[in-house]
Amino acid sequence: QVQLQESGPGLVKPSETLSLTCTVSGASISSYYWSWIRQPPGKGLELIGYIFHSGSTNYNPSLKSRLTISLDTSKNQFSLKLNSVTAADTAVYYCARLRGGWGSGWYLDYWGQGTLVTVSS
Amino acid sequence: DIQMTQSPSSLSASVRDRVTITCRASQNISSYLNWYQQKPGKAPKLLIFATSSLQSGVPSRFSASGSGTDFTLTISSLQPEDFATYYCQHSYGIWTFGQGTKVEVK
Repeated sequence: QVQLQESGPGLVKPSETLSLTCTVSGASISSYYWSWIRQPPGKGLELIGYIFHSGSTNYNPSLKSRLTISLDTSKNQFSLKLNSVTAADTAVYYCARLRGGWGSGWYLDYWGQGTLVTVSS
Repeated sequence: DIQMTQSPSSLSASVRDRVTITCRASQNISSYLNWYQQKPGKAPKLLIFATSSLQSGVPSRFSASGSGTDFTLTISSLQPEDFATYYCQHSYGIWTFGQGTKVEVK
């Protein structure tokens, strides 16, 4: 059974860096692709970005200048760093496994439970 | 960016009703369309991928179709556990999600 669990601070000050880690069990992060998605309170879902097992990434252009997604294969984790945060970055952040391919399209088949990050002083 | 527009934004239905939700893309996305179900306080759950492929473990009352720019999700006989919000998502380039359709009790 594949399980994902987000961890990190629930409160971040404006202008600081939001850092989250997703710990994966039941699957090797070296064998799949992985993604971060967020959902502001009461709103819809937004792709943050995704990372292939090679380490190559694809980021949402609206976040690209502030964003880093990386893998830690030794810990079977991947992480998100979003710098210079504002209140607009307040959201539930989800990590998820990415499946599919260029021929059939990409989809998210396993999700973490999500973690609320609030940006406030 | 490709915009995804779902309709309706919400609907009221009764158990055993047939429910249809539509999703329209602002440009051709081939068959790169997925559907998710989200219940309050929970992560989204994958229902359908690549337009019409049922994810393992999802009941067969869920089905979907479409191509190009117009897609539909159908629940053939609504069950109590199906009251939730449904999102479409394309994966053609930088993905975006629809704004969601909330299925409520009538």
